[in-house]
Amino acid sequence: GAGVSQSPSNKVTEKGKDVELRCDPISGHTALYWYRQSLGQGLEFLIYFQGNSAPDKSGLPSDRFSAERTGGSVSTLTIQRTQQEDSAVYLCASTLSLFSNQPQHFGDGTRLSIL
Amino acid sequence: DQQVKQNSPSLSVQEGRISILNCDYTNSMFDYFLWYKKYPAEGPTFLISISSIKDKNEDGRFTVFLNKSAKHLSLHIVPSQPGDSAVYFCAASGTGGFKTIFGAGTRLFVKA
Repeated sequence: GAGVSQSPSNKVTEKGKDVELRCDPISGHTALYWYRQSLGQGLEFLIYFQGNSAPDKSGLPSDRFSAERTGGSVSTLTIQRTQQEDSAVYLCASTLSLFSNQPQHFGDGTRLSIL
Repeated sequence: DQQVKQNSPSLSVQEGRISILNCDYTNSMFDYFLWYKKYPAEGPTFLISISSIKDKNEDGRFTVFLNKSAKHLSLHIVPSQPGDSAVYFCAASGTGGFKTIFGAGTRLFVKA
């Protein structure tokens, strides 16, 4: 497809389980961003990638969160030992390049619910 | 520390009237500002942007105004339409734009 694709669209899991969220950016976009939107809140920046490199991981909420990107394309966000406070919509966005002022193209997000 | 603030959680406007959504920022290093629109169960979509070298940018029914001295920007929608009902996010980035900071959003209701 032409846009940013995220999967799954919804994920319900039990507390303590690990989850993996996937983002497929627009073809040719070298920069990729992950955000989290908790209920009633704004978008919280988590991490960005330029190519396969993530220079700034300070936005990740805890060491249970990790992200990787391989081949300069698909990225996965992994949450280990999930907690109820991890419940949120996780959004991915991409831009053609990192160092220019461009609007980000967002996917429709993954709605994560931790029981 | 909220660097981008949207102090109005919601706004209700009559169809055909003007909608004004406000946004304040604290970081003087921001030089690029954007507005995104979000419908339920969809990702945000880019609406309009403005560079810090300008004080106004217009695109059809949408105009963004920037007041750098006040660190304030606003989005005007004229005339408002029911299809404009959505959550609007203000966002800002610094030189390079690698980290965009979003406000909490304002939910706009346009009544027919």
